[in-house]
Amino acid sequence: NAGVTQTPKFQVLKTGQSMTLQCAQDMNHEYMSWYRQDPGMGLRLIHYSVGAGITDQGEVPNGYNVSRSTTEDFPLRLLSAAPSQTSVYFCASSYNDRALNSPLHFGNGTRLTVT
Amino acid sequence: GQQVMQIPQYQHVQEGEDFTTYCNSSTTLSNIQWYKQRPGGHPVFLIQLVKSGEVKKQKRLTFQFGEAKKNSSLHITATQTTDVGTYFCAGRSGGSNYKLTFGKGTLLTVNP
Repeated sequence: NAGVTQTPKFQVLKTGQSMTLQCAQDMNHEYMSWYRQDPGMGLRLIHYSVGAGITDQGEVPNGYNVSRSTTEDFPLRLLSAAPSQTSVYFCASSYNDRALNSPLHFGNGTRLTVT
Repeated sequence: GQQVMQIPQYQHVQEGEDFTTYCNSSTTLSNIQWYKQRPGGHPVFLIQLVKSGEVKKQKRLTFQFGEAKKNSSLHITATQTTDVGTYFCAGRSGGSNYKLTFGKGTLLTVNP
């Protein structure tokens, strides 16, 4: 099993450009999520999904779109990049057990710089 | 919304000293999870606590969940250089079960 795979590892964008951060998992996890990590701010939830066709907003959703057409994939789209979106982005997945006790499995992250 | 506060933000110790990080929630938590992130790496799950007053141990690491389920701690006995990294707590409350809220983390550095 590859676990959670994120691509690309590094990306530099200019203000106003768009791009998609890819996330795929091969563990048949129903729950997938995107976090951004900034110095001193910890991990902040952007969007999450509890299954194919279902998405919802997290703590900091503005400027980001997501979709979940399959169980395996959960791409994060930046429609018009801004310098404030410079960050490290982590995708994470878990089983969606009823007790919500499953741990998150994180990808290796995407380091995004917007100039 | 739910807030999870974690202190201290940074901790530098000499190898062999003990280390503790504390986590406090503004709301009662259904469970709390702890993660470790090595420098340049991604968070890795350490443990989960579910029951009020629960204490769990992993070798030199001791995790506690408060009686009111609003606070938690991670204690490392006799730190080693391999303990270096950022330790995060993360909790879920009843009103937002799908949203796992992370504390800002404690960065531990160990002087050999």
